[in-house]
Amino acid sequence: QQQVKQSPQSLIVQKGGIPIINCAYENTAFDYFPWYQQFPGKGPALLIAIRPDVSEKKEGRFTISFNKSAKQFSLHIMDSQPGDSATYFCAAKRSGAGSYQLTFGKGTKLSVIP
Amino acid sequence: ETGVTQTPRHLVMGMTNKKSLKCEQHLGHNAMYWYKQSAKKPLELMFVYSLEERVENNSVPSRFSPECPNSSHLFLHLHTLQPEDSALYLCASSQASDTQYFGPGTRLTVL
Repeated sequence: QQQVKQSPQSLIVQKGGIPIINCAYENTAFDYFPWYQQFPGKGPALLIAIRPDVSEKKEGRFTISFNKSAKQFSLHIMDSQPGDSATYFCAAKRSGAGSYQLTFGKGTKLSVIP
Repeated sequence: ETGVTQTPRHLVMGMTNKKSLKCEQHLGHNAMYWYKQSAKKPLELMFVYSLEERVENNSVPSRFSPECPNSSHLFLHLHTLQPEDSALYLCASSQASDTQYFGPGTRLTVL
């Protein structure tokens, strides 16, 4: 019930390509879905987040697509650049006072080749 | 200093040593977290403090002992660790249970 399954584990794309990272969750109580980006030697940094009242959210070149009925969400990176090479984590949690637990996927290591 | 800072950035210790990790947040948040990050595993939440009171303790062995003296500082005291405790230890902070902001982590190696 608490798992978030993330795929693929690693991904290599050419510059300008559109990598897609997928996540699936089981707990229907989850209502906040952030994506974090982590560069080597750094902590995870919030990239973009979505709530289930919308099916898509875009911020710059990053887009989250959300499918509530399938309990799946995905990250798309448009016009990917070598600087996007990092590890990406999806996560999920319940909103509300006292809900601190953020459940993470295992991460996807993205390499963007020039 | 801005955001969430952690010291030291790297730590090597023997199994009989006692050491402490320090975290400081400069964001005015009232909740702080310790996570363990191991290769090919999801980030594992260890402890959560809200308003300096521990609110989550996810079955962490007693050789890890957290301390939160005020809302800006968080410590993780380590003693008699095992080699399998080697990992990246991340601190995070948030305002209540909202978005969490992470520090750069402490890379711990237990010999």
